[in-house]
Amino acid sequence: ETGVTQSPTHLIKTRGQQVTLRCSSQSGHNTVSWYQQALGQGPQFIFQYYREEENGRGNFPPRFSGLQFPNYSSELNVNALELDDSALYLCASSLGDSYEQFFGPGTRLTVL
Amino acid sequence: SQQGEEDPQALSIQEGENATMNCSYKTSINNLQWYRQNSGRGLVHLILIRSNEREKHSGRLRVTLDTSKKSSSLLITASRAADTASYFCATLFTGTASKLTFGTGTRLQVTL
Repeated sequence: ETGVTQSPTHLIKTRGQQVTLRCSSQSGHNTVSWYQQALGQGPQFIFQYYREEENGRGNFPPRFSGLQFPNYSSELNVNALELDDSALYLCASSLGDSYEQFFGPGTRLTVL
Repeated sequence: SQQGEEDPQALSIQEGENATMNCSYKTSINNLQWYRQNSGRGLVHLILIRSNEREKHSGRLRVTLDTSKKSSSLLITASRAADTASYFCATLFTGTASKLTFGTGTRLQVTL
């Protein structure tokens, strides 16, 4: 069974730039959720994708957008980066409405 | 925004001792889950307790849930140095299809 993978591991960008983060879900999982975790805080829900459709969104501005592909992998795109976007970005996959989510190792984004 | 608070924010104990962490939340829930995070990396699911359950065990872990007080506790018995990590509670609300809302976390340090 393949676990959740994310790429890249680390990323450094400057203010105003755009970034794309990638996530491959666990084999057999059709739902991907993205979370942002600021230093010293708990993860905060960004959005969720189920069968290529957005299925819920947290309190994040529209410059945070996503995609899910037919193989259920997913991308998180952030436009017009701000300093406060510096965080660990986690994706988690699950099977439909299954309550247990399996998290990837995260992408550490630093915005300078 | 965070759903709740973990208490204490940090806990330092010696190997072999028990560690107790508490979590409070604000609204009605379907279930409450505990996750572990090592060194700011991915989250590992530890245990889930449903809103109609009061106590659950898994190995050295014991979780209690008091829905009238909107609180939960995680007990790790006979702690080991390898238990050193941050621990988060996360709640799932009715109708939010796998959207987890995390607390602020407890940093546990287990020393030899």
